[in-house]
Amino acid sequence: GENVEQHPSTLSVQEGDSAVIKCTYSDSASNYFPWYKQELGKGPQLIIDIRSNVGEKKDQRIAVTLNKTAKHFSLHITETQPEDSAVYFCAASIGSNYQLIWGAGTKLIIKP
Amino acid sequence: NAGVTQTPKFRVLKTGQSMTLLCAQDMNHEYMYWYRQDPGMGLRLIHYSVGEGTTAKGEVPDGYNVSRLKKQNFLLGLESAAPSQTSVYFCASSYSLQGSEQYFGPGTRLTVT
Repeated sequence: GENVEQHPSTLSVQEGDSAVIKCTYSDSASNYFPWYKQELGKGPQLIIDIRSNVGEKKDQRIAVTLNKTAKHFSLHITETQPEDSAVYFCAASIGSNYQLIWGAGTKLIIKP
Repeated sequence: NAGVTQTPKFRVLKTGQSMTLLCAQDMNHEYMYWYRQDPGMGLRLIHYSVGEGTTAKGEVPDGYNVSRLKKQNFLLGLESAAPSQTSVYFCASSYSLQGSEQYFGPGTRLTVT
């Protein structure tokens, strides 16, 4: 079946440095790629998304890039802050019902 | 607005028991979803609904049933719980099906012994 692979599973960066999380997907027909942030004890929350007709999207310190040829997309967080510590999930839409297939998650740790 | 709420927050069941999880949303969304989250596996879609009175199977529907009798509510039932159903269950809702933000509830932690 279709799948989304996410790397790394854990990422530890110094406060102020940048963090990059990468995902690859298998369905070449996927056209929507959201990123969600999940804080401890809460449900995931959308932080940024990108559609297949766009190569890059930015929102303040967060950016997402998409390479449709290689079927991978990445989340970039610059000037990391303690409140960025959380688990981040990528996802890709598949099929005629636009179901989301999710990556396994990346635990981001910001070291003070 | 409360957004998406789920009850209960925690539940412990014995193998073979049944239970129903309730999800409610106050955003007038047409689309609602039930996911399970297991360590190292991300979220997997169990069932979803595209409107009142409709339900459809997701990626892992076996052992679960759902109902959407009212637009604002989406119920997830386990008829005969198994230890493999120990998980955290999340409900979500969205305005549309394609490329639309999903709003998640706080989750229900279910343990089946």
